[in-house]
Amino acid sequence: QVQLVESGGGVVQPGRSLRLSCAASGFTFTNYAMHWVRQAPGKGLEWVAVISYAGTNKYYADPVKGRFTISRDNSKNTLFLQMNSLRVDDTAVYYCATEGGRNAFDIWGRGTMVTVSS
Amino acid sequence: DIQMTQSPSSLSASVGDRVTVACRASQSISTYLNWYQQKPGKAPKLLIYAASSLQSAVPSRFSGSGSGTDFTLTISSLQPEDFATYYCQQSYSTPYTFGQGTKLEIK
Repeated sequence: QVQLVESGGGVVQPGRSLRLSCAASGFTFTNYAMHWVRQAPGKGLEWVAVISYAGTNKYYADPVKGRFTISRDNSKNTLFLQMNSLRVDDTAVYYCATEGGRNAFDIWGRGTMVTVSS
Repeated sequence: DIQMTQSPSSLSASVGDRVTVACRASQSISTYLNWYQQKPGKAPKLLIYAASSLQSAVPSRFSGSGSGTDFTLTISSLQPEDFATYYCQQSYSTPYTFGQGTKLEIK
């Protein structure tokens, strides 16, 4: 069964850090670039970051550049998002997704909620 | 960054109606345009990729068209399960920006 499962979300104070994980199963993880997308409560979708299949190329949205780091462990079929210097406006559900044909996001996880609040 | 603008932001329609959602890119993106459906509390689901290619297992009542800067998503005959929010997304260049969403509601 093709599946992505995010974990690591929670409530954290502004300025602190959190590390999200996304465990992949049912497909060849190493064949896919991977993305993080977030959605603030009641808002639309916002792309966060992408990592190439080998982990050599990474790109970030401007709001998270310099604070978030995307990485992957292909031996464990797992994607990560290290989030530092968290802000209140980072509060969102964070989804991981695979990049399929024409760079579309064809497999999504259920998401993990991150709440940044004092 | 490429800006994506959807219209309308919300839409009321009835079961059986034909519905069209528009999406405009701030610069040409060829056919690097995708459509997603999202229901409350759920992850987005890919419907259409490359502007007009139907994702596997998506009903044929969904279709997409367009190239360059102007695109449309059409639902030929609305079904009860189609009431949701729809997003377009450009995958031409990073950041892979989304439209603001179109909420499709029951009339």
